[in-house]
Amino acid sequence: QKEVEQDPGPLSVPEGAIVSLNCTYSNSAFQYFMWYRQYSRKGPELLMYTYSSGNKEDGRFTAQVDKSSKYISLFIRDSQPSDSATYLCAMSASGANNLFFGTGTRLTVIP
Amino acid sequence: EAQVTQNPRYLITVTGKKLTVTCSQNMNHEYMSWYRQDPGLGLRQIYYSMNVEVTDKGDVPEGYKVSRKEKRNFPLILESPSPNQTSLYFCASRWQGASPLHFGNGTRLTVT
Repeated sequence: QKEVEQDPGPLSVPEGAIVSLNCTYSNSAFQYFMWYRQYSRKGPELLMYTYSSGNKEDGRFTAQVDKSSKYISLFIRDSQPSDSATYLCAMSASGANNLFFGTGTRLTVIP
Repeated sequence: EAQVTQNPRYLITVTGKKLTVTCSQNMNHEYMSWYRQDPGLGLRQIYYSMNVEVTDKGDVPEGYKVSRKEKRNFPLILESPSPNQTSLYFCASRWQGASPLHFGNGTRLTVT
């Protein structure tokens, strides 16, 4: 079983839709949770960073962490064509030297 | 501008010909790391460095070497590349602790 599971998609939505991206994980020691966005031919860039359980909102983006279910989500409101990218979840345990990444979900927002 | 710079962006080589991919960061980060990204497998860590002269293996270190002689630079060396090392490589850096990683724009390597 992989440490982090993420549906690869692809996911296509119309402009303005609400997008939900999800990851599950198996290691209960994970405490730091991140979402990265990766455009084609670019490196991943940090989108959201949360610690432990709860919600975090930044503009159109909301990250949710449910540690009891080992499940994290990223919601994108009012999706735009510029949101078309691959979204990677990542997580680590306290004091760990490595991030564990999901395989990424490819999102296309259609104008 | 704060950034991680990798060179080259694209590299085609033949089996067994030694190559080096350079990585430099201008954020004074202690921690640097190399990843490879493959379809269906995601990002996997090759090597990491906690500081100058301190390096350690990640999840897939076989066939790779690294060195950290200066804080800003962390080159990845393939002494005898093989076709299974064809991949997209990313260098990343961060502060110590649980701070997030900053990635370079990648090096696409093809070994024939």
